Amino acid sequence: QKEVEQNSGPLSVPEGAIASLNCTYSDRVSQSFFWYRQYSGKSPELIMSIYSNGDKEDGRFTAQLNKASQYVSLLIRDSQPSDSATYLCAVMGKAGTASKLTFGTGTRLQVTL
Amino acid sequence: EAGVVQSPRYKIIEKKQPVAFWCNPISGHNTLYWYLQNLGQGPELLIRYENEEAVDDSQLPKDRFSAERLKGVDSTLKIQPAELGDSAVYLCASSPDWRPSYNEQFFGPGTRLTVL
Repeated sequence: QKEVEQNSGPLSVPEGAIASLNCTYSDRVSQSFFWYRQYSGKSPELIMSIYSNGDKEDGRFTAQLNKASQYVSLLIRDSQPSDSATYLCAVMGKAGTASKLTFGTGTRLQVTL
Repeated sequence: EAGVVQSPRYKIIEKKQPVAFWCNPISGHNTLYWYLQNLGQGPELLIRYENEEAVDDSQLPKDRFSAERLKGVDSTLKIQPAELGDSAVYLCASSPDWRPSYNEQFFGPGTRLTVL
C-alpha cells in the first residue's frame, strides 16, 4: 500500500463547476496535510495546508480533513481553465526529527471550456 | 519576498561526469530540503537540513550523492559520478521550521538534469 494515494486522473470538469480531488494516507499519526498545484514543467506551488479535522476555506479552495477515515480532499469552486494542472497531496507524520513530507503521485485536473 | 532560488535551471551531462546544484532558500527559513522528482511522480525527499545539520539523509544514495549547507543558508547537492537513472528534476524547498505546524514548504524552480 502506498503511503499517500491519489487517483492519477485526468479529472475533467467544465468551467464553472466544482472540482473534487481526493487523497488517502496510510500513517494514522500523520499531523499535517498539504495540497500543492504543479503546472507542467513547473515546480510545486503550495495552495492549502490543513492540520485539524474539518474544512478550511481559502478563496475558491476548500480543504477537508477526516483523520478517522485517513482522508483529505480539495474542492475547487468555480473551476477555471487556469486551474488545469496536477494537484499533489502531501502528508507529514508525527513531530520529531524523523518527520518528513510524503507526496502522492498527483491528480491531473483538466478544466474544459 | 524572494522565493527559493536554484541554479542551474537545466543541465545536460554525459554519464560518469560530476554535477552540482545550488540552492538559496527563502530568507529566514532554517529548514532546507532537496527532493528528486521523476516524471509522473511526486517529489521524493533526498535530504533535510536544520540550519547546517543534515537531520534526515536516509534516502540519499551516499555512494554517489553528497550535500552540504555551509553556514546554514545556501546548499549544494552533488552527484559524482552521474548515472543515466539520475535524469530527473532536482527540487530545493525551504520552510521556516521543521515542526509540522510550521512546515509549509516552498519550492524553488528546480534543476532539470539530463544524463546522456
